[in-house]
Amino acid sequence: EAQVTQNPRYLITVTGKKLTVTCSQNMNHEYMSWYRQDPGLGLRQIYYSMNVEVTDKGDVPEGYKVSRKEKRNFPLILESPSPNQTSLYFCASSLGPGTSPFFGPGTRLTVL
Amino acid sequence: AQRVTQPEKLLSVFKGAPVELKCNYSYSGSPELFWYVQYSRQRLQLLLRHISRESIKGFTADLNKGETSFHLKKPFAQEEDSAMYYCALSEGGGFKTIFGAGTRLFVKA
Repeated sequence: EAQVTQNPRYLITVTGKKLTVTCSQNMNHEYMSWYRQDPGLGLRQIYYSMNVEVTDKGDVPEGYKVSRKEKRNFPLILESPSPNQTSLYFCASSLGPGTSPFFGPGTRLTVL
Repeated sequence: AQRVTQPEKLLSVFKGAPVELKCNYSYSGSPELFWYVQYSRQRLQLLLRHISRESIKGFTADLNKGETSFHLKKPFAQEEDSAMYYCALSEGGGFKTIFGAGTRLFVKA
């Protein structure tokens, strides 16, 4: 079954404690992306990756890091989380730009 | 700056009534525009894109470059259309995507 998986699905943490949200796809997609969704703001792109070892900033990259060492995985790293990073995070993958993306189920993060 | 505006946070219509979800954009180049939908407890999914000029689930959207709009329309709303709808614009060769804030459509019986 074609899918994008994210882990964990829910996470409550404290300010400054490093965390990683994993994203994995099984469709051999080259393009992957991370978004955060906040009430009244819709989805905002954090980072995207066009292929292995190729990443670039989206609209709200501050406080986040990503890596793309393998085609299937695109983890989102928060080195020192802060309360303003409390949000719902979505990972997405697609064959390429403009093609239909598959979204993951979302990860709800709360930073206290 | 590139921006996507969805002026209505909530749109409520009766079943069988026409529905139009508004989307306006600001972009200096030739935009690629999309509509995404998120049904309750389901993942966000692509509904349609302007370049394919398709009709999905009865929905259509026409790009109006003069008015910088990409409104989503359906002549007869159904209860199952109730969902969150996002208009989005792709730039940077399609890699960067900017979403609007979303409109929640509620179709009443």
